[in-house]
Amino acid sequence: EPEVTQTPSHQVTQMGQEVILRCVPISNHLYFYWYRQILGQKVEFLVSFYNNEISEKSEIFDDQFSVERPDGSNFTLKIRSTKLEDSAMYFCASTGGNNSPLHFGNGTRLTVT
Amino acid sequence: DQQVKQNSPSLSVQEGRISILNCDYTNSMFDYFLWYKKYPAEGPTFLISISSIKDKNEDGRFTVFLNKSAKHLSLHIVPSQPGDSAVYFCAGKTDSWGKLQFGAGTQVVVTP
Repeated sequence: EPEVTQTPSHQVTQMGQEVILRCVPISNHLYFYWYRQILGQKVEFLVSFYNNEISEKSEIFDDQFSVERPDGSNFTLKIRSTKLEDSAMYFCASTGGNNSPLHFGNGTRLTVT
Repeated sequence: DQQVKQNSPSLSVQEGRISILNCDYTNSMFDYFLWYKKYPAEGPTFLISISSIKDKNEDGRFTVFLNKSAKHLSLHIVPSQPGDSAVYFCAGKTDSWGKLQFGAGTQVVVTP
């Protein structure tokens, strides 16, 4: 079965540094998402992306965050200047269209020190 | 933001018995509900969904019941198997299909 793949599985970075989290969505999917889960908290929506632009974003997704689909396969989340509170598990997800469930990757654990 | 609540953080059930997971919501605009299962070090995996216009959806061992007047849904797993041991998340969506509101999750442990 096709999978959403995320790299790296674990990323450690110093506060203030930029990080890029990478995702390869399922190949025929058109809608892409980033979610995150801070330890002990709920899984939270960050942003949705369709047709090479952001469809919707949450309050968490401020100017420090950006997403890009640089080629036909990758979907990236960039955090420009990381803060301690950005430490979380970041999940990428994709779907083929409306009324199709989201398929999630295994996540990238981001640790900001 | 407490739009979706799963008030039981954990549930222990014997193999072969029924597991019942509960979920309450406050947002009456939810038009679809989904259940996801999550193993450690993996992402959430879709399990089953239900439209708000239905009250029941069944898929093999998994059945989801929706009570709109009570703003409550439940997931029944029968019979429970050891491989069902995981965290189960309830989620609701409004108009944006990919913007899901998740509950906090219920850790299910199926014992032999």
